[in-house]
Amino acid sequence: GESVGLHLPTLSVQEGDNSIINCAYSNSASDYFIWYKQESGKGPQFIIDIRSNMDKRQGQRVTVLLNKTVKHLSLQIAATQPGDSAVYFCAERGNFNKFYFGSGTKLNVKP
Amino acid sequence: DAGVTQSPTHLIKTRGQQVTLRCSPKSGHDTVSWYQQALGQGPQFIFQYYEEEERQRGNFPDRFSGHQFPNYSSELNVNALLLGDSALYLCASSLPRQLYTEAFFGQGTRLTVV
Repeated sequence: GESVGLHLPTLSVQEGDNSIINCAYSNSASDYFIWYKQESGKGPQFIIDIRSNMDKRQGQRVTVLLNKTVKHLSLQIAATQPGDSAVYFCAERGNFNKFYFGSGTKLNVKP
Repeated sequence: DAGVTQSPTHLIKTRGQQVTLRCSPKSGHDTVSWYQQALGQGPQFIFQYYEEEERQRGNFPDRFSGHQFPNYSSELNVNALLLGDSALYLCASSLPRQLYTEAFFGQGTRLTVV
């Protein structure tokens, strides 16, 4: 089956700086990807998604980049805030909206 | 809209016992998926229910079973609990017949097997 992995398990950034979280995926046929944010004691929360026919998608303070050549995703968070502290997962869609998750990156925002 | 709701929020069981977890999907959603999230790991797909049938299944033993009711709510049953079954169990629902749609997650049920 597919596997989704993350390069860095923990990322510490200063409040106000930009954050970049990376993710690798293995199935070149995957057509849809989502970044989720999970705060302690809560379920994953949708942040932003991207289809495989796109290279970049922007939301409010977040941007997702997709590089299909090297099967790589990144999530960029602008002006990181303390409320952004959480674990971030990229998820790759399989059949019937089944999602494959990596192990996550913990983002620590230092005041 | 209450979103995806799960019950109970926390549960402690003894090894060998059986447990049932419950999930109500987001309004208008007919597909329910269950995930297991071990501590420090990403969610792992258990199975998915659609039209009251198990549509697909991940790499989990038959001790894990489920059910979907006509109102689209769902149950996850785990028999003969092992210590390794301790995890956060997440339910996710999604819109019907949508090609590109997120999975909406509940807050999860934290199961501890002792």
